[in-house]
Amino acid sequence: AQSVTQLDSHVSVSEGTPVLLRCNYSSSYSPSLFWYVQHPNKGLQLLLKYTSAATLVKGINGFEAEFKKSETSFHLTKPSAHMSDAAEYFCVVRATGNQFYFGTGTSLTVIP
Amino acid sequence: IAGITQAPTSQILAAGRRMTLRCTQDMRHNAMYWYRQDLGLGLRLIHYSNTAGTTGKGEVPDGYSVSRANTDDFPLTLASAVPSQTSVYFCASSDGTGRQAFFGQGTRLTVV
Repeated sequence: AQSVTQLDSHVSVSEGTPVLLRCNYSSSYSPSLFWYVQHPNKGLQLLLKYTSAATLVKGINGFEAEFKKSETSFHLTKPSAHMSDAAEYFCVVRATGNQFYFGTGTSLTVIP
Repeated sequence: IAGITQAPTSQILAAGRRMTLRCTQDMRHNAMYWYRQDLGLGLRLIHYSNTAGTTGKGEVPDGYSVSRANTDDFPLTLASAVPSQTSVYFCASSDGTGRQAFFGQGTRLTVV
């Protein structure tokens, strides 16, 4: 079975400092992995996706993630946090049956 | 704009009542999904359908049923609502090729 674990339920960073949101996956094969963002009282927006092409994936709003098979990780990073980045972030894996399974989410707070 | 439409946007429902949440997509995607979002638990898959005429159970199917009579519509029914079904419900679709899932704006359901 495929699953993802988000290692931090809350992350706080100062504006202008780097962001690191951690995600580990469990899969018996090379998975498709995604990061979604949800702003307060909004729907879900795709940030980026990994589907077995380049291991370093660039997404929207300056975010990127690196697929590391040896560490079974797909951490989300951004060099410099902006106030508008404050949101809930979800790491997601697509299973063999074409279902999408979510991590429990990381709430990002950006301190001015 | 093409996408996924959910209705209603919000609903307060008496316990024991029957309720159908509607979901329609105009992207001709084969796969559709229903999730519930609860604080600290992320999004959990209730039911899914990989193609019209087929459905499957997700992580938390009890108390819910779905049907997929055609490609565009994927209603979720609560036969007899209970307070623990208070949640935000998201419908999603995917074209099944490994690309991302697209989400509706959600239905906020309160069962009292």
